[in-house]
Amino acid sequence: QITLKESGPTVVKPTQTLTLTCSFSGFSFANYGMSVGWVRQPPGEALECLALLYWDGRKDYSASLRDRLSITHAASKSQVVLTMTNMDPLDTATYYCVHGQLDRSIWVAWGQGALVSVFS
Amino acid sequence: DIQLTQSPSSLSAVVGDRVTITCRSSQNINIWLNWYQQRPGKAPKVLIYDASTLQSGVTSRFSGSGFGTEFTLTISSLQAEDFATYYCQQSYRTPTFGQGTKVEVK
Repeated sequence: QITLKESGPTVVKPTQTLTLTCSFSGFSFANYGMSVGWVRQPPGEALECLALLYWDGRKDYSASLRDRLSITHAASKSQVVLTMTNMDPLDTATYYCVHGQLDRSIWVAWGQGALVSVFS
Repeated sequence: DIQLTQSPSSLSAVVGDRVTITCRSSQNINIWLNWYQQRPGKAPKVLIYDASTLQSGVTSRFSGSGFGTEFTLTISSLQAEDFATYYCQQSYRTPTFGQGTKVEVK
């Protein structure tokens, strides 16, 4: 059974850097086609894909947020870490970790989501 | 980024209605279009992938069609548990989502 769980701060101040961790189990990230990514959803708004990390090291970022995002794999801990710099109140959202297989962005497995609020 | 536009943004329906939601892409994405259902406070759930393939375990009252730039999600006979928000998502390039369609009780 594949599980993903997001962890990180619930509140950050404007201009700070957000670091979120996705801890996963039930699959090996080294296997062909695996990917882990981040999707966010501001309250009452639509979903937005932020970043994806693939089994072979490829990374894919939202074009509009590329300059603020970084996604990395902590292999020894079965974790994927997302950092987002220069946080703004408009970045207040629920941040989801997602898992894809076969090099496809079809996300059957999702984390429960982590609400991050940005205010001073 | 590839832009996806869903219509309508919301609709009101009753149990038993046939419901159709449209998703239009800003460029040709072949069949690489997925549909998700999201209930309040929950993570999205994939219903259809590759435009028309039903995800394992999803009821057959959901169906998808389309190719290129225009796609549809159809619920053949709306049930109480289907009142939710539906999103299309393209997996042709860096993934993007539509703005969502909320299906509400009439």
